[in-house]
Amino acid sequence: GDSVTQMEGPVTLSEEAFLTINCTYTATGYPSLFWYVQYPGEGLQLLLKATKADDKGSNKGFEATYRKETTSFHLEKGSVQVSDSAVYFCALDNNAGNMLTFGGGTRLMVKP
Amino acid sequence: KAGVTQTPRYLIKTRGQQVTLSCSPISGHRSVSWYQQTPGQGLQFLFEYFSETQRNKGNFPGRFSGRQFSNSRSEMNVSTLELGDSALYLCASSLKAGNTGELFFGEGSRLTVL
Repeated sequence: GDSVTQMEGPVTLSEEAFLTINCTYTATGYPSLFWYVQYPGEGLQLLLKATKADDKGSNKGFEATYRKETTSFHLEKGSVQVSDSAVYFCALDNNAGNMLTFGGGTRLMVKP
Repeated sequence: KAGVTQTPRYLIKTRGQQVTLSCSPISGHRSVSWYQQTPGQGLQFLFEYFSETQRNKGNFPGRFSGRQFSNSRSEMNVSTLELGDSALYLCASSLKAGNTGELFFGEGSRLTVL
């Protein structure tokens, strides 16, 4: 079946540091890929998405590129802020409706 | 525009009891999905409803059930509660069923089973 693997956290960075959170997937066909973010005490929010190979999703300074050859969708941000502290989830939708397969989540902690 | 509303936010039950959780989607959204979030298993899909019909179901026992009403509000029910059912239950709504992955999540209902 489909699966998503993320790097384990927590990831601790200083403000303005560069962020990479790795995400790889296993799926048949051509899934759509997503990053969701969960701030403390809140539900998940869609951060960005990409629907086909080589697409780059971007939002709020975050970027991720759909790499079919490496089955990856790594999340990057050039300069993190304390307010980016949250749990980040990589997910895929393999044309199965709104039935997303999520990775385990990566907690990011940004220190001033 | 109001977001996805889930009630109750917190509840405590004992083994063997049953529980009903409610979800009101964003106005105009007709698809409602439910997910279970636990530290051990992460986020797992429970089921999705669209126009009062269950479209997809995850790999959960029959104790987990749900329904959707004509106003798109949804409920999920867990019968004969087990300790392992303790989790954050998240509801998500979407404009339409299928293939967008653009879900809007509520804050969840945190269930503790003693």
